[in-house]
Amino acid sequence: QVQLVESGGGLVKAGGSLRLSCAASGFTFSDYYMTWVRQGPGKGLEWVSYISGSSSNIIYADSVRGRLTVSRDNAKNSLYLQINSLRAEDTAVYYCARKRVIGNYYFSFGMDVWGRGTTVTVSS
Amino acid sequence: DIVMTQSPISLPVTPGEPASISCRSSQSLLHDGGHNFLDWYLQKPGQSPQLLIYMGSNRASGVPDRFSGSGSGTDFTLTISRVEAEDVGVYYCFSFLQTSWTFGQGTKVEIK
Repeated sequence: QVQLVESGGGLVKAGGSLRLSCAASGFTFSDYYMTWVRQGPGKGLEWVSYISGSSSNIIYADSVRGRLTVSRDNAKNSLYLQINSLRAEDTAVYYCARKRVIGNYYFSFGMDVWGRGTTVTVSS
Repeated sequence: DIVMTQSPISLPVTPGEPASISCRSSQSLLHDGGHNFLDWYLQKPGQSPQLLIYMGSNRASGVPDRFSGSGSGTDFTLTISRVEAEDVGVYYCFSFLQTSWTFGQGTKVEIK
C-alpha cells in the first residue's frame, strides 16, 4: 500500500548533525514533489523544505535555510533531510509528505500521504 | 515570506451545528490559471496531518461532504456544515506558491 516511513531521529547535542530518511512505497516516487514538515512540542505545523520529482526545484523555509539540505534518490524511493548545526529550536517531530504537482506548477492535489514522523530532540 | 493568518485560534463547537474557519494570506494565492494555491489540513489528536481540501475548494478523496472550502486571492474559508464529534483537532490552512510554502498557525476545534 501507499506508505511513507520516516527514520533517523534521535537525541543529539546542540551543534551536531543528523540525517533523516523517508522511505516511500506503493507509488511512483519520482512523480511526486516531496516535502518535510516539522512540529515542535505543543506547537503548530512548520513547513521546512520541498524538492521536486527530478530534484530540479528545491526550496527551504527562511528559518532553516543554510543549515538543512534536502535530497532524494528516486532509484531507492527515498527522501532525505540533512540537518547541521542543530539548535534547541530544531527539536520537533519531522514528517515527510508527498504532493502531486501537475504541469509547470499549474495544479496540485495536496499533501495526501504523510508518514508518522520521526522525533528529533536537541540537548544543550 | 508569505504570512497566513487564521481565525479564530480556538473554536468551541456544538455537534450538529455549522462551523467555519477563516484564513487570510499576505499575498494573493490565485494562479494565472484561475486556481488558488491553498490547501486545508486537519491534525487529529495524536495523529499525522490529513488532507481535507486542495486548491482552495476541492475535497480530497474520502473526505465527508460536510467539509467545504471557499474563497479566492487572499481570503479563504473552511466550512463544516454539521460538526461531528470526530471533527475535533487542529485545522491548518496552507499556501504553496512556488517560491514559498507556509502553514497558518492553526485553529483548534473542540466540542463544547
